[in-house]
Amino acid sequence: AQTVTQSQPEMSVQEAETVTLSCTYDTSESNYYLFWYKQPPSRQMILVIRQEAYKQQNATENRFSVNFQKAAKSFSLKISDSQLGDTAMYFCAFSYGNKLVFGAGTILRVKS
Amino acid sequence: DGGITQSPKYLFRKEGQNVTLSCEQNLNHDAMYWYRQDPGQGLRLIYYSQIVNDFQKGDIAEGYSVSREKKESFPLTVTSAQKNPTAFYLCASSGVGIQETQYFGPGTRLLVL
Repeated sequence: AQTVTQSQPEMSVQEAETVTLSCTYDTSESNYYLFWYKQPPSRQMILVIRQEAYKQQNATENRFSVNFQKAAKSFSLKISDSQLGDTAMYFCAFSYGNKLVFGAGTILRVKS
Repeated sequence: DGGITQSPKYLFRKEGQNVTLSCEQNLNHDAMYWYRQDPGQGLRLIYYSQIVNDFQKGDIAEGYSVSREKKESFPLTVTSAQKNPTAFYLCASSGVGIQETQYFGPGTRLLVL
C-alpha cells in the first residue's frame, strides 16, 4: 500500500523566517512523482511544488524548495522568508498510476 | 479563462435524499477525480475517470455514484446509502499519466439537516 505521513499536525513561524515541513512516504513503485499542495482558509487547493522521483536535483519555486531523499523516502518542504499569506494547510502527496495519495496535512501559521 | 468549477458552494441534504454535486472543467483534461475531505484527514479518493463513459472506484466509493457522459463534466451523486455524508468535496482534473498535475476546483460543502 502507498502511504504518506506528515508527522507535524501544526507548526508556526514568525514572518520573514524559514520553516520546514516534513513528509515521508512508503511505496514499492520505482517511478512516481511527489507534490506539495497548499490549502488556505478559502479551501482552494493550490499546487506549490512538484518533484520527479528520477531527478536527483531538488525542485525550487521562488521561496519554496524541497529536500528530496529518495533512499529515505523523505520529501520535506522549506519555505523561506515566510509571509502572512503562507498561512494554510499544507498537504504532501504521492502520485502513482493516475492517482494521488495525500498525507493528513500540516497547519502552518505565520505570525507577524 | 480556464479552470474547474464546482456547484453549489454549499449543499444541504435531508435524511434519505440523494443529492448531486456538479463539476465542470474547460482545461481539456481527460482525467477527472472526486475527493472527500474530513477534518484532520487528508483527501480521500471517491471515484475517478480517465476517459468518457468509463470510471473507477477509489478508496471510499460506497454510497456514491458518478457518470462521465461528457469530457468536461463529472457529477457526483451522494446517495442515501452514504450514512455520514457531511464533508468537503473536491473535484480535480488532469491529463493522463503519473507525471500530470491534478488541478482542483473550489469545493462543495455538504451538510446534513
